[in-house]
Amino acid sequence: EVVLTQSPGTLPLSPGERATLSCTASQSISSRFLAWYQQKPGQAPRLLIYGTSNRATGIPDRFSGSGSGTDFTLTISRLEPEDFAVYYCQQYGSSLTFGGGTKVEIK
Amino acid sequence: QVQLQQWGAGLLKPSETLSLNCAVYGGSFSGYYWTWIRQPPGKGLEWIAEINHSGSTNYNPSLKSRVTISVDTSKNQISLTLTSLTAADTAMYYCARSGEGSGDHYIQYWGRGGLVTVSS
Repeated sequence: EVVLTQSPGTLPLSPGERATLSCTASQSISSRFLAWYQQKPGQAPRLLIYGTSNRATGIPDRFSGSGSGTDFTLTISRLEPEDFAVYYCQQYGSSLTFGGGTKVEIK
Repeated sequence: QVQLQQWGAGLLKPSETLSLNCAVYGGSFSGYYWTWIRQPPGKGLEWIAEINHSGSTNYNPSLKSRVTISVDTSKNQISLTLTSLTAADTAMYYCARSGEGSGDHYIQYWGRGGLVTVSS
């Protein structure tokens, strides 16, 4: 099983700041098979990024993804108030697994 | 617009069997994988199983012995059965749909979720 480790667990930031979220895989995965989701309290997750760097429909361009092999990153260039949420990475190259999540909270 | 409508969640007792259903409205039913994912209260996401319109299935190895996923293409519905419930199965259960291309098993659409509580 591919284990995804997300860091940090909590990221305290202010609106307007840049957020950098990390997702590390226990083994190399194709960049085609890495996605990111956003989840707000009481809501289902929402797809942000698939294939490491492809934004889903309607996702603002302040969200970007990058990485390869075992190290992947979600970057939010300038945090808007609505971006404070929990973010999950997911790999779908070998079965499907999710990371444990990073909570982006208001500092 | 794809909509996923779930039912069957609720309060169950340990050792009982959970049955969940999900109806798909809008969009094509074939060409995608249909998935169940769960999330215990305050915790992260766990993939349970997926199935396509032809009945091809994939299961989370940690749950495989207790899970059955099935599809009814005549009704555009998928179902999940989870046996031998324990308190650890308490979670929000989501029905979901994969992305567009072959191998694109990211989750493009999510249902609203249904809470399942296992308690004596």
